[in-house]
Amino acid sequence: KAGVTQTPRYLIKTRGQQVTLSCSPISGHRSVSWYQQTPGQGLQFLFEYFSETQRNKGNFPGRFSGRQFSNSRSEMNVSTLELGDSALYLCASSLSGTENSPLHFGNGTRLTVT
Amino acid sequence: QQPVQSPQAVILREGEDAVINCSSSKALYSVHWYRQKHGEAPVFLMILLKGGEQKGHDKISASFNEKKQQSSLYLTASQLSYSGTYFCGTENLSGYALNFGKGTSLLVTP
Repeated sequence: KAGVTQTPRYLIKTRGQQVTLSCSPISGHRSVSWYQQTPGQGLQFLFEYFSETQRNKGNFPGRFSGRQFSNSRSEMNVSTLELGDSALYLCASSLSGTENSPLHFGNGTRLTVT
Repeated sequence: QQPVQSPQAVILREGEDAVINCSSSKALYSVHWYRQKHGEAPVFLMILLKGGEQKGHDKISASFNEKKQQSSLYLTASQLSYSGTYFCGTENLSGYALNFGKGTSLLVTP
């Protein structure tokens, strides 16, 4: 079974630009969640989608948004990039997204904002 | 809501044991444990559910004390391959998400 695939692996953007990251979950997984990982803060929850519906959202500004398609693939978008948005963005899929469902992470997209 | 992990870092010699703790200020239903090696994705180790038994994975096991709202991860007879950062995750009160601790960096040396 193929794992979680995230594209692109690396991105370099300029402050003020916008960026779109993509995530393809494991086949059969309907829940996709996104996390931001930075050295100081660890893994911070961004949002979770299940069957194209956002069920939960973390404490991030509205510049961070996401969506999920009917095939469970998900995208997240960050608009008006700031230097502080530089981080590793991890996507994770699971069967149901509930507390007893393991998360399977992708290798992440490393975003650098200059 | 972020759980607190301790210690922040630990260095072991091969064959030694280690314990990593995860504490929450909120009542817990479950605790997840993940390991992340440098430059790689976090990998699921185990889930402990409220009322469940202690779980094991090779020589790595964990316990969940619901009353104290904490979980401990036990690494027995550590191997070089155990090196990495260990994260505990607790369920977000709004559901469908995990709040992760800041991680414990574990280095096993020969």
